[in-house]
Amino acid sequence: EDQVTQSPEALRLQEGESSSLNCSYTVSGLRGLFWYRQDPGKGPEFLFTLYSAGEEKEKERLKATLTKKESFLHITAPKPEDSATYLCAVQAGRRALTFGSGTRLQVQP
Amino acid sequence: EAGVTQFPSHSVIEKGQTVTLRCDPISGHDNLYWYRRVMGKEIKFLLHFVKESKQDESGMPNNRFLAERTGGTYSTLKVQPAELEDSGVYFCASSQGESLHFGNGTRLTVT
Repeated sequence: EDQVTQSPEALRLQEGESSSLNCSYTVSGLRGLFWYRQDPGKGPEFLFTLYSAGEEKEKERLKATLTKKESFLHITAPKPEDSATYLCAVQAGRRALTFGSGTRLQVQP
Repeated sequence: EAGVTQFPSHSVIEKGQTVTLRCDPISGHDNLYWYRRVMGKEIKFLLHFVKESKQDESGMPNNRFLAERTGGTYSTLKVQPAELEDSGVYFCASSQGESLHFGNGTRLTVT
């Protein structure tokens, strides 16, 4: 059974204080690892897809990396508008996405 | 481009009643998914349509849940009769490639 564990559950940062979110996964035949951002009352918003170990993708202050067992979402010099829940999900073969519980990020000005 | 639209945004019903949720995917997206998040848990897969056909319904919890996709366009998810444990947020997503586009969900409360 595919499993995704995200840590920490919650993270509070000061504006400009860089940090990383972790997503550990167990899956047979990884097809892709996905990062989503979710704001309160909204649906998940797609950020990145990573396909193979060593791959990295960047978008503004966010950078996602992937190894064979985990993925990191690095947030550089965050701003209050980066506050959200960040979700990690994996897809094995043609199966549907398996989500982690998410990390609630709060960035204080 | 209009996003994925879900109706209603909130629904409060009593145990034993019936509720129908609707999802309008992004135009042209063949793949349509239903997911749900119950209190304190992660988002979990319910089922997947490709056009009007059910590709995978392995996540449907029991036969009180019925999903349809008329003509490969919008989809409905009916819960009949609703139970307390059905409370949660029901998300619909559509895709034409790798990334899923989610709607804002329907928050269902069964009392």
